[in-house]
Amino acid sequence: DQQVKQNSPSLSVQEGRISILNCDYTNSMFDYFLWYKKYPAEGPTFLISISSIKDKNEDGRFTVFLNKSAKHLSLHIVPSQPGDSAVYFCAASGYSSASKIIFGSGTRLSIRP
Amino acid sequence: GAVVSQHPSWVICKSGTSVKIECRSLDFQATTMFWYRQFPKQSLMLMATSNEGSKATYEQGVEKDKFLINHASLTLSTLTVTSAHPEDSSFYICSARDQALSFLNQPQHFGDGTRLSIL
Repeated sequence: DQQVKQNSPSLSVQEGRISILNCDYTNSMFDYFLWYKKYPAEGPTFLISISSIKDKNEDGRFTVFLNKSAKHLSLHIVPSQPGDSAVYFCAASGYSSASKIIFGSGTRLSIRP
Repeated sequence: GAVVSQHPSWVICKSGTSVKIECRSLDFQATTMFWYRQFPKQSLMLMATSNEGSKATYEQGVEKDKFLINHASLTLSTLTVTSAHPEDSSFYICSARDQALSFLNQPQHFGDGTRLSIL
């Protein structure tokens, strides 16, 4: 049972445009949501997070939106840059410091010139 | 920011040998660390939760005797793949969270991973 789903395995966006990556989850007990960026043969790098008490969090070019009723979150990157090309993982967790993080299957973002 | 160091980054060994992977939190303490495994073009799968001073908690389907975890201090957890076979070849990644900081402000930070290749 996949608790965190990223239904788009890949996405291609033109440089300068907005990239929108989507994520759905099934477990209503999740309280904390994160986006990680990953390059091949490297560990994931934390990008941005949002707690369940918010519906939006913004950090520079990155904005995460959370729709709790729909159990859906999205990551917006604007403007998209070539260095943004990577695999993006959506993840969800509980509040406890010992809570496990459950990852989605990832979306490969390619920024084309 | 928080740094998690993982060593070695790449190891190649013969079938039947045991391989130890270290995960260190360099500038913070972590009572809990996590070990993941990633197959090519797949997601990160949690293998086990490493608990300082106590036994690790393994996810369903992960063999405890195959993947030995030791978390002897607040900054070090080790994963030992015992009697490794070609099917154990994978990318292993650890993560940790600073226990001293507020949960809401502190996501898990990951090491750079260890690529294990068993011949």
